[in-house]
Amino acid sequence: AQSVTQLGSHVSVSEGALVLLRCNYSSSVPPYLFWYVQYPNQGLQLLLKYTTGATLVKGINGFEAEFKKSETSFHLTKPSAHMSDAAEYFCAVSPSGNTGKLIFGQGTTLQVKP
Amino acid sequence: GAGVSQSPRYKVAKRGQDVALRCDPISGHVSLFWYQQALGQGPEFLTYFQNEAQLDKSGLPSDRFFAERPEGSVSTLKIQRTQQEDSAVYLCASNPKEYFGPGTRLLVL
Repeated sequence: AQSVTQLGSHVSVSEGALVLLRCNYSSSVPPYLFWYVQYPNQGLQLLLKYTTGATLVKGINGFEAEFKKSETSFHLTKPSAHMSDAAEYFCAVSPSGNTGKLIFGQGTTLQVKP
Repeated sequence: GAGVSQSPRYKVAKRGQDVALRCDPISGHVSLFWYQQALGQGPEFLTYFQNEAQLDKSGLPSDRFFAERPEGSVSTLKIQRTQQEDSAVYLCASNPKEYFGPGTRLLVL
């Protein structure tokens, strides 16, 4: 069965510091991988996605993620955190490509300290 | 509209009451998904429509949950005889990977 594990339910960084949110997945087929951000009382907003091709994916708001098949990982990074990045982040896998349902991780709350 | 809309945004129900949650997808989007997000958890898949056809309902937790999309556009998720464990945010997604609605927060007392 496919699954997603996000390491660390809470991550705290200082403003301007590197953001690293970890995601590992299991999938029996080549997966499509996604990162979403959720602000309080709002729906999910897509940050970036990996389908095929280049393994380093750039998204919105300065975020990027690298698909590493050998490590079954898709960690999210941002070189310099902003206060506005404080939110809940979800990693997700779609084992059926672009037409199938998403399987989400438990989420990581990012806190940005001034 | 510019995005996926859901109504109501908040719903308080007494245990045993029936509720109906509405999703208006982006016009022309064929695929529509429903997810349930419990407090502090990631969303979990409920059901999937392609046009009016419900292709996957494997995530519906019980037969109290029912979803429909009769004309292939607006969808309704109905929960009968609500229980406290149904309290969650219900998210709708159209063209599922990019467009999520704001969700309906259901509280069952």
